[in-house]
Amino acid sequence: DAGVTQSPTHLIKTRGQQVTLRCSPKSGHDTVSWYQQALGQGPQFIFQYYEEEERQRGNFPDRFSGHQFPNYSSELNVNALLLGDSALYLCASSGDRRNEQFFGPGTRLTVL
Amino acid sequence: AQSVAQPEDQVNVAEGNPLTVKCTYSVSGNPYLFWYVQYPNRGLQFLLKYITGDNLVKGSYGFEAEFNKSQTSFHLKKPSALVSDSALYFCAVRDRDTGFQKLVFGTGTRLLVSP
Repeated sequence: DAGVTQSPTHLIKTRGQQVTLRCSPKSGHDTVSWYQQALGQGPQFIFQYYEEEERQRGNFPDRFSGHQFPNYSSELNVNALLLGDSALYLCASSGDRRNEQFFGPGTRLTVL
Repeated sequence: AQSVAQPEDQVNVAEGNPLTVKCTYSVSGNPYLFWYVQYPNRGLQFLLKYITGDNLVKGSYGFEAEFNKSQTSFHLKKPSALVSDSALYFCAVRDRDTGFQKLVFGTGTRLLVSP
């Protein structure tokens, strides 16, 4: 079992650009959540996808959008990048709502 | 609204001694509680969870945590610390009574185990 995978590992962008991050959930999981972890902080919930729809959203602007595909994989898109968007972006997958979320290794985004 | 407090930025303990990492939570309904560990430049690794039932839960690598509803706490413990336990530890809460799985994390506690 490959677990949760994310790509790319690292990414460097400049202000104003757009970025797409990708996530493949753990086998058997149908729910994908995205979190932003700024340096020295705990992860902050961005949104969650289930059955290809955004089910819940945190306090992030509309510049942050996502998508879930029929195979349950997911993308996180960020438009008009700001310096403050520099962070580790974590994807987590889960199945049964009682169970824990499994996290991927993250994508380190640096905005210059 | 849900929230988690981890009052200690860092906990220092000598190898072989017991360790405790503190966590208190606030949630409108009943909680699901989790501990995760993060090593440098890595994602989060699940340690243990409280869903319901026995207040003392045991997890990976000899860690355990005690759910205390009256004190709204979920402290992480280990009887004998190892140098390899040095890492960043996060407590997280989810509201059991909603259908959503959003996790709210604390700010993290750095555990440093000295030889």
